[in-house]
Amino acid sequence: GAVVSQHPSRVICKSGTSVKIECRSLDFQATTMFWYRQFPKKSLMLMATSNEGSKATYEQGVEKDKFLINHASLTLSTLTVTSAHPEDSSFYICSARDVAGDVKTQYFGPGTRLLVL
Amino acid sequence: AQKVTQAQTEISVVEKEDVTLDCVYETRDTTYYLFWYKQPPSGELVFLIRRNSFDEQNEISGRYSWNFQKSTSSFNFTITASQVVDSAVYFCALSSPSGSARQLTFGSGTQLTVLP
Repeated sequence: GAVVSQHPSRVICKSGTSVKIECRSLDFQATTMFWYRQFPKKSLMLMATSNEGSKATYEQGVEKDKFLINHASLTLSTLTVTSAHPEDSSFYICSARDVAGDVKTQYFGPGTRLLVL
Repeated sequence: AQKVTQAQTEISVVEKEDVTLDCVYETRDTTYYLFWYKQPPSGELVFLIRRNSFDEQNEISGRYSWNFQKSTSSFNFTITASQVVDSAVYFCALSSPSGSARQLTFGSGTQLTVLP
């Protein structure tokens, strides 16, 4: 149980294009999902908290117009990197909490490696 | 403010050795949760354990054991008889009411390399 998937696992795009990353909870419902960014050999940095049916809460310094988050259902949250630039290249990881189960533990997706050329 | 410190950036051991990964945390809350996650080279974070602040019992799961000591604000992780497959980055994390939406505060991680 508590499986989280992400799609795509890897994406290469040209500068200026937008990229959408999906995060799905496969066997549970999640009212809250989290989006993280991780640079090589660094820890995870929380970007935003995604709430089902309401606006996401962004961490300080994260541009909400740059990183659009939509949490339209209890099993899906999407992160769209708009007008991507090389400095957006990173490893993006989502996590989710099981609303009906262990709400104290976050389960993580496998991550998406984004490379912007 | 919440903070998690993993002072060991990198550790190398030879297979079958025991290794302890240190974790020290800071929080003003009396109720909080501590976690350990494993991140192998593939990148996915694997949940290992959650411990709440009221349960100071040490836990053992196979070759893994955890030592939680509130007096020193530490939650150390020991791997017994390490194996090459244990090579990964290990993150300690903290969740408490001070962090909104029960966010996780991560330590900087410890890169463990187990040599054959």
